Amino acid sequence: GENVEQHPSTLSVQEGDSAVIKCTYSDSASNYFPWYKQELGKGPQLIIDIRSNVGEKKDQRIAVTLNKTAKHFSLHITETQPEDSAVYFCAALFSSGSARQLTFGSGTQLTVLP
Amino acid sequence: DAGVTQSPTHLIKTRGQQVTLRCSPKSGHDTVSWYQQALGQGPQFIFQYYEEEERQRGNFPDRFSGHQFPNYSSELNVNALLLGDSALYLCASSFQGGYTFGSGTRLTVV
Repeated sequence: GENVEQHPSTLSVQEGDSAVIKCTYSDSASNYFPWYKQELGKGPQLIIDIRSNVGEKKDQRIAVTLNKTAKHFSLHITETQPEDSAVYFCAALFSSGSARQLTFGSGTQLTVLP
Repeated sequence: DAGVTQSPTHLIKTRGQQVTLRCSPKSGHDTVSWYQQALGQGPQFIFQYYEEEERQRGNFPDRFSGHQFPNYSSELNVNALLLGDSALYLCASSFQGGYTFGSGTRLTVV
């Protein structure tokens, strides 16, 4: 099955700096790559996603890049703010016929220091 | 527009007991997936229901079972609870792609 690896597991940045989180996936049949933010006591919240036919997507301070050949995708947060502090998860959706499975990375604890 | 609703939010069960968790999907979504999230880890896929049938299953024992109703809502049942089943159980609904998660049910097995 699909395997998603995520790095780093923890990341501390100064307010206003950029943060980058990287993921790799194993199954070339995966075609959808969402990123989720999870705050304490809450479920994961979708913040941005990218499909396999697109190389880059941006939404204000957040961007995601995808390298299908290398099976890498990354989350970039610019001008970080204290409210960006949370756990971030990458995920990959495997689709084959009627089968659908969203596999998550292990998460990155992002701390933005004021 | 209500998102994904899960109930209960918290519960405590004794080892060996059985538990049922419930999920109402986001309006317009027809597919429900269940995940188990242990403390400090990413969500692990349990199974997915579509058109009232289990479409895909992760690496979980048969003690974990589910059901989807005609209104697309779903239940997760866990039998013979083990201490290791203590976790946050997340439900996600989807329709042709994007997954929306509920806030989860925190299950503690003592």
